[in-house]
Amino acid sequence: KNQVEQSPQSLIILEGKNCTLQCNYTVSPFSNLRWYKQDTGRGPVSLTIMTFSENTKSNGRYTATLDADTKQSSLHITASQLSDSASYICVVSARNSGGYQKVTFGTGTKLQVIP
Amino acid sequence: NAGVTQTPKFRVLKTGQSMTLLCAQDMNHEYMYWYRQDPGMGLRLIHYSVGEGTTAKGEVPDGYNVSRLKKQNFLLGLESAAPSQTSVYFCASSRRPGLAGGPHQETQYFGPGTRLLVL
Repeated sequence: KNQVEQSPQSLIILEGKNCTLQCNYTVSPFSNLRWYKQDTGRGPVSLTIMTFSENTKSNGRYTATLDADTKQSSLHITASQLSDSASYICVVSARNSGGYQKVTFGTGTKLQVIP
Repeated sequence: NAGVTQTPKFRVLKTGQSMTLLCAQDMNHEYMYWYRQDPGMGLRLIHYSVGEGTTAKGEVPDGYNVSRLKKQNFLLGLESAAPSQTSVYFCASSRRPGLAGGPHQETQYFGPGTRLLVL
């Protein structure tokens, strides 16, 4: 069964500090991995996407890494800001022969940045 | 562009009542999806559509029906609401994925969600 597990479940950090969120997956055959940011009361918004041939992708202060061999990904947030407070969801897509690709969502890491 | 919009934002139903959630997108996307999000669980796919006039079941389709009569709209119906359907419902849309065997890099764009409470 395809699964995506994220850790930690929640995290509190001081403004300006860095943090790293983890994602382990068992989705097969692997197609791509996305990180989404979901603000409270809003829909998820895509931050990064990586295929099996990419091992790092940046979007501003967000840097995602992927190790397809160990089936692990991380999202590193640099110099955190109060606006980074949100849930971060790891989403893994399975490759198929065409058309809709099955996606599995993680339960998310809830990040709170405090002044 | 408004992106993906959902109507209503919040609704309270009594057990057994019916309702329809409306999703609209103005990005000319082929694919549309309905998810539900529950505490402690990842988003789960209810139904999806790969084009106008076509729908398919997702991971948790029981108790829901959908229709895609127009490309820009995707409706989610609850014929007889149950307390277990209390949830936050998200609609999403995306372009059609790439060719078979190639990287599927079509990002899903989500609406703001509909919070449904069934008493």
